[in-house]
Amino acid sequence: AQKVTQAQTEISVVEKEDVTLDCVYETRDTTYYLFWYKQPPSGELVFLIRRNSFDEQNEISGRYSWNFQKSTSSFNFTITASQVVDSAVYFCALSEALGTSGSRLTFGEGTQLTVNP
Amino acid sequence: DAMVIQNPRYQVTQFGKPVTLSCSQTLNHNVMYWYQQKSSQAPKLLFHYYDKDFNNEADTPDNFQSRRPNTSFCFLDIRSPGLGDAAMYLCATSLGGSFNTDTQYFGPGTRLTVL
Repeated sequence: AQKVTQAQTEISVVEKEDVTLDCVYETRDTTYYLFWYKQPPSGELVFLIRRNSFDEQNEISGRYSWNFQKSTSSFNFTITASQVVDSAVYFCALSEALGTSGSRLTFGEGTQLTVNP
Repeated sequence: DAMVIQNPRYQVTQFGKPVTLSCSQTLNHNVMYWYQQKSSQAPKLLFHYYDKDFNNEADTPDNFQSRRPNTSFCFLDIRSPGLGDAAMYLCATSLGGSFNTDTQYFGPGTRLTVL
């Protein structure tokens, strides 16, 4: 069975601080995909990144960066110079294929990030 | 802009009164999903359609049904809502066909209140 653990339930930082959100996953699949989604108070889940199990290169997109380490089954997310607009719940998710008919996402419990001015 | 649209954004129903939630997409994706997200919890997949093929999750209650009359629209029917069905219902779509490229895109959700 697939499992995603986000040990940090809530994190509170002051604007401009860097913050890292942790994600640890379990799977028996050799090919899998990992995702991060952002859920602001409005409720919509916003796709941030997708990473496949064969690509362990870190990725940077503006103030966002992701560190994928297969050896520790971790896919951590860092926000540099945080801003108030970054306040949201962040979900890490693991994908499994449903044949050719799509994929099933297993989500972690989410981390509520609050960035204070 | 291509997107996933959900109506209404907020829905109030009475205990036991059937309710239908709507999702439409302009992405022309083959797969449409319905998730239930209770307060402070992770989204949980209820079922999905690949084109017209319906796929139910094993633990989805019979009270929940779905219809997909065409590629663009998908409906979630709750036949007899209970207080425990109060939640955010999220619709998502993905291209399908290849696991290598399958990313799910979500709509804004419908928040259901059961009185």
